[in-house]
Amino acid sequence: ETGVTQSPTHLIKTRGQQVTLRCSSQSGHNTVSWYQQALGQGPQFIFQYYREEENGRGNFPPRFSGLQFPNYSSELNVNALELDDSALYLCASSLVGGPSSDTQYFGPGTRLTVL
Amino acid sequence: GQQVMQIPQYQHVQEGEDFTTYCNSSTTLSNIQWYKQRPGGHPVFLIQLVKSGEVKKQKRLTFQFGEAKKNSSLHITATQTTDVGTYFCAGRETGRRALTFGSGTRLQVQP
Repeated sequence: ETGVTQSPTHLIKTRGQQVTLRCSSQSGHNTVSWYQQALGQGPQFIFQYYREEENGRGNFPPRFSGLQFPNYSSELNVNALELDDSALYLCASSLVGGPSSDTQYFGPGTRLTVL
Repeated sequence: GQQVMQIPQYQHVQEGEDFTTYCNSSTTLSNIQWYKQRPGGHPVFLIQLVKSGEVKKQKRLTFQFGEAKKNSSLHITATQTTDVGTYFCAGRETGRRALTFGSGTRLQVQP
């Protein structure tokens, strides 16, 4: 177990709604990244937060936004949900500046279904 | 943008046979990482390679990073049923935050 937790485990929403997913990082980690994993595909990088600021972003529209809190927990918000947003959303924490700073420790994920 | 391709997409082997998956990046990488995802699970970090031509071993698993730092491979010797899962490579371009994952190779092991 990595010590990274995510909530909720599963979620069903309808098109046009908004959703907030939550992540609690592994103790001592200062960076969190969010990924979207469609069925049968590899995880796709959404964005990364370091010291409460967005530190890098993948090819995702602005309706995907996030927050990182002082305790290094994080939220992913998605507005105006589309059917294609149905996927497993993975949070990964890491320790920038540590001996293995690139290693991503993934949480169990939130399965989002958009109807 | 950067693309990371993996082949094969799927491999079915008999227990005891060897298995290899290959990873190719469209750009030069600062490092490459390998992850394993069991069915219904989340990716779990296996290893990171940083140096050109680097080879690392973990028991029956051998990882290589190409000389040009654009390709990598994972070789499993004498597969076991516990090796079942999808193996992903993930590469990071120098100076970029994004870690780009390949599409994965799904390994099925027949007992």
